[in-house]
Amino acid sequence: AQKVTQAQTEISVVEKEDVTLDCVYETRDTTYYLFWYKQPPSGELVFLIRRNSFDEQNEISGRYSWNFQKSTSSFNFTITASQVVDSAVYFCALSDSWGKLQFGAGTQVVVTP
Amino acid sequence: GAGVSQSPRYKVAKRGQDVALRCDPISGHVSLFWYQQALGQGPEFLTYFQNEAQLDKSGLPSDRFFAERPEGSVSTLKIQRTQQEDSAVYLCASSLGQGNVNEQFFGPGTRLTVL
Repeated sequence: AQKVTQAQTEISVVEKEDVTLDCVYETRDTTYYLFWYKQPPSGELVFLIRRNSFDEQNEISGRYSWNFQKSTSSFNFTITASQVVDSAVYFCALSDSWGKLQFGAGTQVVVTP
Repeated sequence: GAGVSQSPRYKVAKRGQDVALRCDPISGHVSLFWYQQALGQGPEFLTYFQNEAQLDKSGLPSDRFFAERPEGSVSTLKIQRTQQEDSAVYLCASSLGQGNVNEQFFGPGTRLTVL
């Protein structure tokens, strides 16, 4: 069975601090996809990144970066120089071959000015 | 708009009532997913359609839940004889092809409250 664990329930930072969100996954599939989604207070899930299991290259997109380590089954997400607009719940997710997403419980990020 | 739309946005039902939740996916999107999100938790998969075919309904919590997508576009999630534990946000997502390869675009959700 697939499982995604986000151990951090809530992280509070002051603006401009970096914040790293942990994600650990379990799967028996050799081919799988990992995702990060952002859910702001408005409630709509916003896609941030997709990674397949064969691509362990780290990725950077603006202030966002992702570290995929297959050896530890982790797919961590870092926001550099956080801003108030980054306040949201962030979900890590794992998909099966159909695309069915298994979400973690989410990490609430609170950025204060 | 070009995104996934859902209606109604909010629904209050008395216990025992039937409800129908609608999802309009992005035009041309083959895959459609329904998820249930309880307060403070991550979304949980309910069911998946590829065009009009329901390929996976393993996440539907009981036989009171039924979903359809008869023409391969709009989908309806129906809940019969609603119970208080059905209170949640119901999210719909669509993707161009299979959801693992293509990004899933989510709608704003329908917040269902069962009294």
